[in-house]
Amino acid sequence: DAKTTQPNSMESNEEEPVHLPCNHSTISGTDYIHWYRQLPSQGPEYVIHGLTSNVNNRMASLAIAEDRKSSTLILHRATLRDAAVYYCILREAMKTSYDKVIFGPGTSLSVIP
Amino acid sequence: EPEVTQTPSHQVTQMGQEVILRCVPISNHLYFYWYRQILGQKVEFLVSFYNNEISEKSEIFDDQFSVERPDGSNFTLKIRSTKLEDSAMYFCASREVPRDRDTEAFFGQGTRLTVV
Repeated sequence: DAKTTQPNSMESNEEEPVHLPCNHSTISGTDYIHWYRQLPSQGPEYVIHGLTSNVNNRMASLAIAEDRKSSTLILHRATLRDAAVYYCILREAMKTSYDKVIFGPGTSLSVIP
Repeated sequence: EPEVTQTPSHQVTQMGQEVILRCVPISNHLYFYWYRQILGQKVEFLVSFYNNEISEKSEIFDDQFSVERPDGSNFTLKIRSTKLEDSAMYFCASREVPRDRDTEAFFGQGTRLTVV
């Protein structure tokens, strides 16, 4: 799997937007960009994924650079419950359809009341 | 919303004993996974399972580990002779068959295994 680079940690104030960056300069044309998060003492949780276009869902937005070498997960209004480790993961989908998700160290997001 | 269920939530076992961790994946999913997370470390892939056989396994998944889908709903991870270093959170995950797009994995809440 192609490598991603994320900051080790970030802080945000409650009720403010958060932009979590991810660099993936070696991304290939068939790699999907996935984001998962892990709340304290819980299992990983899917957040969002995309291929080329920006994506929105009820949890977050994913902004993908035009060259696809970077992406940003956007939480529009951080809450205390959003404090978690956020993982940016590339998956070469359809190559091996049962392929696993590989987690890196991620970004630990702290939300300040 | 459908979810992956794991039991027990916490298991304490003596070193050398066998343990079986149980998972009920989401019902229409066909790909199953086990991961572990040692305290303070990252989530590590152990094994993937599809069509009643292991499709991939990591170096961690040695002969002490085995997986099984004994019936249409359960997916189990067995550790034959536990070691102290097997103490970790174990997460089960499942995924549906991708059609025209990639699909996400759904994770359970984990089983905390403590080997004493």
